[in-house]
Amino acid sequence: KNEVEQSPQNLTAQEGEFITINCSYSVGISALHWLQQHPGGGIVSLFMLSSGKKKHGRLIATINIQEKHSSLHITASHPRDSAVYICAVRHVNRDDKIIFGKGTRLHILP
Amino acid sequence: GAVVSQHPSWVICKSGTSVKIECRSLDFQATTMFWYRQFPKQSLMLMATSNEGSKATYEQGVEKDKFLINHASLTLSTLTVTSAHPEDSSFYICSAVREWVEQFFGPGTRLTVL
Repeated sequence: KNEVEQSPQNLTAQEGEFITINCSYSVGISALHWLQQHPGGGIVSLFMLSSGKKKHGRLIATINIQEKHSSLHITASHPRDSAVYICAVRHVNRDDKIIFGKGTRLHILP
Repeated sequence: GAVVSQHPSWVICKSGTSVKIECRSLDFQATTMFWYRQFPKQSLMLMATSNEGSKATYEQGVEKDKFLINHASLTLSTLTVTSAHPEDSSFYICSAVREWVEQFFGPGTRLTVL
């Protein structure tokens, strides 16, 4: 079983829909990252969380440390949001090394 | 927020040549830098951990003589793929750690070996 699991693996939605991507992990962490990877491969760091909730524009990320779960929400989704969203956790017992989820491929239709 | 850059963003080279990829933390000193590799349709995988002034620590299965890492300063780490082969074609990403806590990712470098 992977230490970081994302769901769904693939998601197609209409423009304007509210999007939720989930990440569950099974290890102790010091931080959790949400990354966005565009078709060309370039990576953008969206959020780094250790507790609570963060918001940036139309993106909201939450984390529940007790439940070992995080969600990434996109409000008023737009075709330019189409990308792979990757959850990554910083393992507290492995010298800060990062474990990546397999990613969620999001496709927003116009 | 903090910025990490990589150069080049993409490179195409002939088999047998060496390629150097730079990772820079632009506005902070990075205590540690990590190098990752991502094959098509796969997760990113950690290759090595790089600390300034000391030898890099490589993950199991990563050849240290093939992937040379130099961490010459607190703002620069380089990854050199020596004698590159087509199977080394991949997306290489670095991340930099600020003040032992925050980790920032570079945009990545796509390497294609012909």
